[in-house]
Amino acid sequence: QKEVEQNSGPLSVPEGAIASLNCTYSDRVSQSFFWYRQYSGKSPELIMSIYSNGDKEDGRFTAQLNKASQYVSLLIRDSQPSDSATYLCAVRWGTNAGKSTFGDGTTLTVKP
Amino acid sequence: DVKVTQSSRYLVKRTGEKVFLECVQDMDHENMFWYRQDPGLGLRLIYFSYDVKMKEKGDIPEGYSVSREKKERFSLILESASTNQTSMYLCASSTAGAYGYTFGSGTRLTVV
Repeated sequence: QKEVEQNSGPLSVPEGAIASLNCTYSDRVSQSFFWYRQYSGKSPELIMSIYSNGDKEDGRFTAQLNKASQYVSLLIRDSQPSDSATYLCAVRWGTNAGKSTFGDGTTLTVKP
Repeated sequence: DVKVTQSSRYLVKRTGEKVFLECVQDMDHENMFWYRQDPGLGLRLIYFSYDVKMKEKGDIPEGYSVSREKKERFSLILESASTNQTSMYLCASSTAGAYGYTFGSGTRLTVV
């Protein structure tokens, strides 16, 4: 079993809809959780960080963390074609130099 | 704007060559990382460093070495390039603590 697993995708939603991306992780000393967006041919870009249980909102993006269920999600409201990308979930283990493990990513397509 | 700069965007090398991939960050970050990204395999950690002259093996260090003589520079060395090292190489950095990464633009290495 992988340490970080994401919906295999691909995910397709119409413009204006809510896109929901999900991620589960194995039971380790996890400290922090991240969502990265990667456009085709580009490198990943950090879009959300979440460190404690609950919801964190930033504009159209909401990250949700449930440590008891080992589950983290990303909601994108009012999805736009420019949101079409691969979204990577990452878990950073420990503190200081703790490395991150990435999920394989979910490819989202937002159709006009 | 904070930056992680990778010296080459595209690189073609011959089997058996010694290859140097350079990464420089201007954010005074303590931690630096080298990942490779392959279709179907996701992002895999090769090596990371949490301080000058310090290095730790990641998940797939075989065939690679690293050097960090200055805080801002982290080099990845392919001792004797092989075709199975053809990949996208991504450098990332972060401040000390459980924070997200800033990635460089990547180096697409082809070994022929």
